[in-house]
Amino acid sequence: AQSVAQPEDQVNVAEGNPLTVKCTYSVSGNPYLFWYVQYPNRGLQFLLKYITGDNLVKGSYGFEAEFNKSQTSFHLKKPSALVSDSALYFCASYSGGGADGLTFGKGTHLIIQP
Amino acid sequence: DTEVTQTPKHLVMGMTNKKSLKCEQHMGHRAMYWYKQKAKKPPELMFVYSYEKLSINESVPSRFSPECPNSSLLNLHLHALQPEDSALYLCASSQGPDEGLNYGYTFGSGTRLTVV
Repeated sequence: AQSVAQPEDQVNVAEGNPLTVKCTYSVSGNPYLFWYVQYPNRGLQFLLKYITGDNLVKGSYGFEAEFNKSQTSFHLKKPSALVSDSALYFCASYSGGGADGLTFGKGTHLIIQP
Repeated sequence: DTEVTQTPKHLVMGMTNKKSLKCEQHMGHRAMYWYKQKAKKPPELMFVYSYEKLSINESVPSRFSPECPNSSLLNLHLHALQPEDSALYLCASSQGPDEGLNYGYTFGSGTRLTVV
């Protein structure tokens, strides 16, 4: 079974500063990890995923995530935040074990202040 | 077409009503999913269809009844719902069972359901 945890309910960052949204995982086996973003009253938009390979994964809209096996983390990062990045961010793991689909973390509200 | 389309966008229904939510995709995806998302909570998986067959039902009450008439269409039939069923219902698709791992999952914008 796989699960993810997002320790922060909200993250505040000034526009132009780097941002980090944290995610840790707990898995039995290989981790399959995703980041999605949700704007108000909208569905989920895919940002990036880690299956295997390079620990630094590059995704949409300038986001990237670093897979760290020793710390069991998969933090989302962006070098320079935009006000339009303000949204709800979900880390997710592939459910696995014959159960197709995703299991989501509780979500982190990212607020970029002008 | 790279979208998952959900209709209606908003629905208000009484506890004795019968209504249906519709989800459509034309990407040739063979796996489709229903998720339920309560306010300020993460989405929770309800149903998974693979090749038009129900493969996973995550212990969802029988007042929710899914249907997959063809590979492009997924319905969720609603009957005798409770106010606590009010939520955003999200549909998603992937290329095939377990292919979401490799190719990702595409989500629709959801139907905002209010049960009164």
